[in-house]
Amino acid sequence: GQSLEQPSEVTAVEGAIVQINCTYQTSGFYGLSWYQQHDGGAPTFLSYNALDGLEETGRFSSFLSRSDSYGYLLLQELQMKDSASYFCAGANNRKLIWGLGTSLAVNP
Amino acid sequence: DAGVIQSPRHEVTEMGQEVTLRCKPISGHNSLFWYRQTMMRGLELLIYFNNNVPIDDSGMPEDRFSAKMPNASFSTLKIQPSEPRDSAVYFCASSFDGGNSYEQYFGPGTRLTVT
Repeated sequence: GQSLEQPSEVTAVEGAIVQINCTYQTSGFYGLSWYQQHDGGAPTFLSYNALDGLEETGRFSSFLSRSDSYGYLLLQELQMKDSASYFCAGANNRKLIWGLGTSLAVNP
Repeated sequence: DAGVIQSPRHEVTEMGQEVTLRCKPISGHNSLFWYRQTMMRGLELLIYFNNNVPIDDSGMPEDRFSAKMPNASFSTLKIQPSEPRDSAVYFCASSFDGGNSYEQYFGPGTRLTVT
């Protein structure tokens, strides 16, 4: 089957760095996407890794290792506004298969 | 661009009633996705369309659910009859195949409560 696993909750302090891991068990994934969702809001796109390696976009970076069926989202210089849920999603033939999300709480 | 538009934003209905959710994708996008989100099951893909054609409806829970996309700028998700277990937030999202097709743009969602 197709499934993605990520931690349910992560807590960090402002200014810190946090890494949210995602492991997947599937075949046919073209890549890994990450989305952010604030409480009461809609998911918004953060990144997509089609190739192995690290992709950096500002304070956020995403990594993929196909051989390990593993990826992570790295958030640097954490801000209070980064408190949200973060979803990894496997890309498969135009559609996404979603993990259950990681709730990140950033404390002062 | 106005982004993906969904209506209504909130819907409260009684069990057994028909519910119709509406979505207008971003102009120029050719893929449209309907999702359902609950605390227990997370974000589930119900159905997706490409160029107005349903491609994968394997996530549609049962025959009570149906979706249509009569043209490139409009889609509906209908539940008939509705049941309390259908209570959830329903999102519509769109994407463009020519770019990063896995970058999906979500609407604000419709919060459905069935009593």
